[in-house]
Order: sequence, then C-alpha cells, then structure tokens
Amino acid sequence: DVKVTQSSRYLVKRTGEKVFLECVQDMDHENMFWYRQDPGLGLRLIYFSYDVKMKEKGDIPEGYSVSREKKERFSLILESASTNQTSMYLCASSFSNTGELFFGEGSRLTVL
Amino acid sequence: KQEVTQIPAALSVPEGENLVLNCSFTDSAIYNLQWFRQDPGKGLTSLLLIQSSQREQTSGRLNASLDKSSGRSTLYIAASQPGDSATYLCDQGGKLIFGQGTELSVKP
Repeated sequence: DVKVTQSSRYLVKRTGEKVFLECVQDMDHENMFWYRQDPGLGLRLIYFSYDVKMKEKGDIPEGYSVSREKKERFSLILESASTNQTSMYLCASSFSNTGELFFGEGSRLTVL
Repeated sequence: KQEVTQIPAALSVPEGENLVLNCSFTDSAIYNLQWFRQDPGKGLTSLLLIQSSQREQTSGRLNASLDKSSGRSTLYIAASQPGDSATYLCDQGGKLIFGQGTELSVKP
C-alpha cells in the first residue's frame, strides 16, 4: 500500500523554537509537497520539490524552509516558530505532475 | 489568479439520497483533477483521479466527471450512507490548487 508518513501527529512548541516536521514516502515519488490547512483558508502550498536537493516556493513560504537530502524524505523547518504558524501541516507526494497525489495523516502544530 | 471553487460549501442529506458535489476551475489547461475526502483532524484520502484525456472515473458508489471546456468536475455519490460524512475536496492537478471543500453530513 502507498504510504506517506509524517513523523508527529501532534506537537506543542513555544514561540521562537526551531521546529522540524518530517515526511517520508515509500513510493519512490519524484514530487513532494508541504501544505498548511486552516479553517476558512483551505489548503495552502508552502514549498514543493520535484527532485532531490531541489525546492520551489509555494504560495506562503515566508517563515518556512525545507530540506530534501534524500528522495524519500522532505522536511519542513520553522526556524523560529510563531503563534501564527499554529496549524495543521500536510505532506503529500506524487510520481509526476499527472500522477495521483497521496497525503500523510497530518501534523497538528500548536505554538504557544 | 487561477481558482478552484466548490459548491455547496456544506450539504446535509438523509441516508440513501443520491447527491452531487461540484468543483469549478478557471484554468482549462489541466493535467488531471483529483477528488479527496477528509475526515476531521486527518489527512486527505484520494477517491478518484481523472486524467485530462478522460471524461469520468468510477469507484463503487462514486462517479466523477470532468468537462474541461466548461471548467467543471462533479462527484456523484449514490445511495449515501452516514459513513460518507466528511469534507470533500477537489484538486486541479499540476496547478497545486485546491478548492475549499464541501462538508457533507449524511443523517441516519
């Protein structure tokens, strides 16, 4: 079965902390994505990657960075967490631009 | 700006009813269109993927159609069940654009 695994389902962090959200896929997919989902705003794309060591900014990259050192792993980094980054974070992957998109279970981050 | 719109935003129906969810997109140059369901607090589960060369896809009680010329896709759910209660989202593939979703409630 296809699997996208996000390392943490729930996290609570303090303002100013560095936060790592990890995502691993086992399908040899080229493309990986990070979204955040907020009530009333829907899903918004933060960053995506079409290949190892490659990254592209999405619609809301400010305050975030990413790392893709290996094909199967795509990490989202909050260098200095702020309360407005409290959200549900969703990782996804696909084989190609025309391929089916698969999501992880999500990571709910609360920044106090 | 390219947009994906889903109507209605919320829908409540009695069990057993057939229903249609709508997804409209502004850019007809799409790679594919994908329908998902999302249960509260969970990730998105893929339901159906329609490639741009296809007109429809079926899986069990679900049927999704795609009309690129009018910029519309519909998700038809037959004989709805309480277990179908969830938020349904569509994604215009390749553009990485999602609709806001339709929150469906099926009452026993």
